[in-house]
Amino acid sequence: EVQLVESGGGLIQPGRSLRLSCAASGFTFDDYAMHWVRQAPGKGLEWVSGISWNSGTIGYADSVKGRFTISRDNAKNSLYLQMNSLRAEDTAFYYCARDTVSLIRGIFDYWGQGTLVTVSS
Amino acid sequence: DIQMTQSPSTLSASVGDRVTITCRASQSIGNWLAWYQQKPGKAPTVLIYDAASMESGVPSRFSGSTSGTEFTFTINSLQPDDFATYYCQQYSSYPYTFGQGTKLEIK
Repeated sequence: EVQLVESGGGLIQPGRSLRLSCAASGFTFDDYAMHWVRQAPGKGLEWVSGISWNSGTIGYADSVKGRFTISRDNAKNSLYLQMNSLRAEDTAFYYCARDTVSLIRGIFDYWGQGTLVTVSS
Repeated sequence: DIQMTQSPSTLSASVGDRVTITCRASQSIGNWLAWYQQKPGKAPTVLIYDAASMESGVPSRFSGSTSGTEFTFTINSLQPDDFATYYCQQYSSYPYTFGQGTKLEIK
């Protein structure tokens, strides 16, 4: 069974940094590209970032470019999102999502349950 | 960025009804469009990809179609489990973008 479990969320002050993690199991992790998608409470979905199986291709939403860094450790079956210079508008549930192929295609076929990041003083 | 305009934002319907949701892209995205269902407190699940291909395990009452830059998602014979929020999403180019969502409510 495919499982994606996010961790690392919490309450953080504006301007500070936070690192999210996603632990993957139930599939061969390095066979798939991975993504982060976020959703502000009560709002719609926003793609944040994606990374191919070998980290060779990476993409970011304009709203996080230069502040967030996606990475993965295939040996640990883990995906990460380093978030710097956090803003109030970054407050959201952050979902880890699996792509359908090893290179980035952009279809998210499995999702974690999300971790809430709240940016507030 | 490609804007995805989804309508309606809210839809009231009854069990057994046929409902349609529309998504329009601000520029050509080919057939690179997916539809997701999200229930309260849960992560989304993909139903349709490549505009009209059904994800494995998805009931056949769900379908998708396209005409140019306009995409249509249809549910035939609504079931109680179908009341949820639906999103379209383009994956033609970065940044991938979602429609605003359609909340399907029980009439």
